[in-house]
Amino acid sequence: EDQVTQSPEALRLQEGESSSLNCSYTVSGLRGLFWYRQDPGKGPEFLFTLYSAGEEKEKERLKATLTKKESFLHITAPKPEDSATYLCAVPKGDSNYQLIWGAGTKLIIKP
Amino acid sequence: DAGITQSPRYKITETGRQVTLMCHQTWSHSYMFWYRQDLGHGLRLIYYSAAADITDKGEVPDGYVVSRSKTENFPLTLESATRSQTSVYFCASSRTSGGSDTQYFGPGTRLTVL
Repeated sequence: EDQVTQSPEALRLQEGESSSLNCSYTVSGLRGLFWYRQDPGKGPEFLFTLYSAGEEKEKERLKATLTKKESFLHITAPKPEDSATYLCAVPKGDSNYQLIWGAGTKLIIKP
Repeated sequence: DAGITQSPRYKITETGRQVTLMCHQTWSHSYMFWYRQDLGHGLRLIYYSAAADITDKGEVPDGYVVSRSKTENFPLTLESATRSQTSVYFCASSRTSGGSDTQYFGPGTRLTVL
């Protein structure tokens, strides 16, 4: 069964304290992995798409990496404005339109 | 403004009533999606549409109806609301197939069924 699991569920960091969020997946024939950011009361906002193992993408303090079984979202020297829930999703193996979403990691950065 | 909008943003209704949630996008994206988001669950797909007059069921379609007479609009109707349909509903759109293309989300509608 296609599945996406994110860990930890919640992460509290001090400002400047770097860490990583994990997204592990089981799907046949990975056709991409998406990372989104969601602020309270808002819709998810696209961050990155990764397509193949070894690929990396960066945006400001965020860097996403991909292996054959999982993806990491590394946050370097985070600021309070990086506080949000981070979601990952992969295309369902037998579907051209459906994404399987993780439950998200709630990141809180304390000043 | 260009983008994807949803209305209403908040809705309280009673069990058994019909409710329609609206979604409008200005990008002329072919694909549109309806999701629900509940605590402890990832986003779950209710229905999707590949183009005007083409819709199909997602993971949790029971109790919901959709239509798409125009490319830019994709309303979601709860025919007879139940308490289990209390949730936050998100509409999304993508230029091409949502399985491999970026989806862009609206701000959501928080629905409470009493």
